[in-house]
Amino acid sequence: ETGVTQTPRHLVMGMTNKKSLKCEQHLGHNAMYWYKQSAKKPLELMFVYNFKEQTENNSVPSRFSPECPNSSHLFLHLHTLQPEDSALYLCASSQDVGSGGEQFFGPGTRLTVL
Amino acid sequence: DQQVKQNSPSLSVQEGRISILNCDYTNSMFDYFLWYKKYPAEGPTFLISISSIKDKNEDGRFTVFLNKSAKHLSLHIVPSQPGDSAVYFCGAGGTSYGKLTFGQGTILTVHP
Repeated sequence: ETGVTQTPRHLVMGMTNKKSLKCEQHLGHNAMYWYKQSAKKPLELMFVYNFKEQTENNSVPSRFSPECPNSSHLFLHLHTLQPEDSALYLCASSQDVGSGGEQFFGPGTRLTVL
Repeated sequence: DQQVKQNSPSLSVQEGRISILNCDYTNSMFDYFLWYKKYPAEGPTFLISISSIKDKNEDGRFTVFLNKSAKHLSLHIVPSQPGDSAVYFCGAGGTSYGKLTFGQGTILTVHP
């Protein structure tokens, strides 16, 4: 595997379910990010991790819970979501936060909340 | 408050012609800018970037222009090809805090 991978690619869940999104980067980067992309809206930054430490939580509801066990893996735990949380969730990585360099994105998880 | 705006949700261009995608920003702390291209069912991929010390950066058919006084940047694609049809996101960042802020995206369609 190369680059940034995300699983699952598609997820349908009910409002009472608990599920997790997984992201893995094979680039040796130190920073990882979760973004949400809704239709006709900008990419919304949710969380930033730098060297496994969370450096930013962009006022994300607590029903989204990130976890970064090491610099290569990032999870987004989902619990009691709402239909308006349906969106494409993108993971990205970069060499580190503040380097001014590009971020590399995964293919995303298309989430539908029923 | 949306700090990065792409005011055109879509753009349609004939193959071989120039495509011009625009982006405006409000935060004067931004000092580097990037363009990403996104195909359906794929994540965004980096296309081209420019730092605030430059006003132009060129890479093959792609050129990005930065007008700092107007807080405006644009991406020119010449000549446009059908394979360029995708969503284009403008992103802006500041080396003092690192995170990127993105616009809403512009859907480019290049007709054969």
